[in-house]
Amino acid sequence: AQSVTQLGSHVSVSEGALVLLRCNYSSSVPPYLFWYVQYPNQGLQLLLKYTSAATLVKGINGFEAEFKKSETSFHLTKPSAHMSDAAEYFCAVSDQGAQKLVFGQGTRLTINP
Amino acid sequence: DSGVTQTPKHLITATGQRVTLRCSPRSGDLSVYWYQQSLDQGLQFLIQYYNGEERAKGNILERFSAQQFPDLHSELNLSSLELGDSALYFCASSVRLAEYNEQFFGPGTRLTVL
Repeated sequence: AQSVTQLGSHVSVSEGALVLLRCNYSSSVPPYLFWYVQYPNQGLQLLLKYTSAATLVKGINGFEAEFKKSETSFHLTKPSAHMSDAAEYFCAVSDQGAQKLVFGQGTRLTINP
Repeated sequence: DSGVTQTPKHLITATGQRVTLRCSPRSGDLSVYWYQQSLDQGLQFLIQYYNGEERAKGNILERFSAQQFPDLHSELNLSSLELGDSALYFCASSVRLAEYNEQFFGPGTRLTVL
């Protein structure tokens, strides 16, 4: 069964600094991977997804993620953090055959002024 | 706005009661998913419907049931409620059955069981 692990339940960065949120996956088959963002009191919004077309995936709001098969990782980055990036971020893998999403525990990103 | 609507937004009820959560998928989406988000369990998949038929089940309790109607809206029924059922319940929809398809999430229903 597929699974994802997000390293760090809380990450704090200064405004303008690099954002790096870590995600490692476990899958016996080529995975489909997703990053979602959840702002307070809202639903989840897709940031980007990996579907094997390209290993470097660009998403919305300046975020991108790189799929590294050798490291079973799909880390999310943004070169320069903005106050509006403060939210909870979820990495997810699509379960083969069932189409359900298996989520990591989430990483809460705080931006310091 | 994802195009997925959920009602009600908040629900407060007592232990032992039964509630129904409603979800309307995006126009044209045939697949509906239900997820539960709680502090201790995180985001957990409950159940999936596609064009009216149940397709997959996750860790859904026997006290919970769901259905998808001909107009494609879905309802999640929670009965004999317990304190531990307090959580945020999300509905998501996607166009078709494919692992690479994005799921669009509704704003959620926050259930509080007292």
